[in-house]
Amino acid sequence: EDQVTQSPEALRLQEGESSSLNCSYTVSGLRGLFWYRQDPGKGPEFLFTLYSAGEEKEKERLKATLTKKESFLHITAPKPEDSATYLCAVVTGYALNFGKGTSLLVTP
Amino acid sequence: ETGVTQSPTHLIKTRGQQVTLRCSSQSGHNTVSWYQQALGQGPQFIFQYYREEENGRGNFPPRFSGLQFPNYSSELNVNALELDDSALYLCASSLTSSAYEQYFGPGTRLTVT
Repeated sequence: EDQVTQSPEALRLQEGESSSLNCSYTVSGLRGLFWYRQDPGKGPEFLFTLYSAGEEKEKERLKATLTKKESFLHITAPKPEDSATYLCAVVTGYALNFGKGTSLLVTP
Repeated sequence: ETGVTQSPTHLIKTRGQQVTLRCSSQSGHNTVSWYQQALGQGPQFIFQYYREEENGRGNFPPRFSGLQFPNYSSELNVNALELDDSALYLCASSLTSSAYEQYFGPGTRLTVT
């Protein structure tokens, strides 16, 4: 059975303090790993898709990387506006199979 | 380019009632997927519609049903509401059924009392 596990569940950072979020996955034949950002009470906002081990993608202060078993979302010098829940998902059939997310709080 | 829109934003219903939620897909997208997100959880797949047919279904009972219209907009219907149906309902559209990148709407917050 396909599974996605995200850690930590919650993370509190000071502004400028870089860190990484982890997404471990078990899937038979990876057809894509997705990262989304979700603000409270809103729909997830698409960030990245990764398809093969070794692939990396960047957007502003965020960088996503992929290995055969996990993906990392690196946040460099975060700002308070980066506070959100970050969701990771893999493709299962026609669906996206999501983890529970990491709730990130960046304080000034 | 118009993004995914959903209506209504919020809804309060009583246990046993029926509800219909609506979604308009992003311009150029012909596939719509529906997800349920309980508080503190990731979204859970309900079903997907492609060319007006149900294309795949998650682990949800038959009282969850849907429709897709010729303009690719979609409805989610839930009958015999239960308290556990209280959640954020998300609609996502994608270019085709084989395009895995899905773009989400703002969601409908359903509260069942």
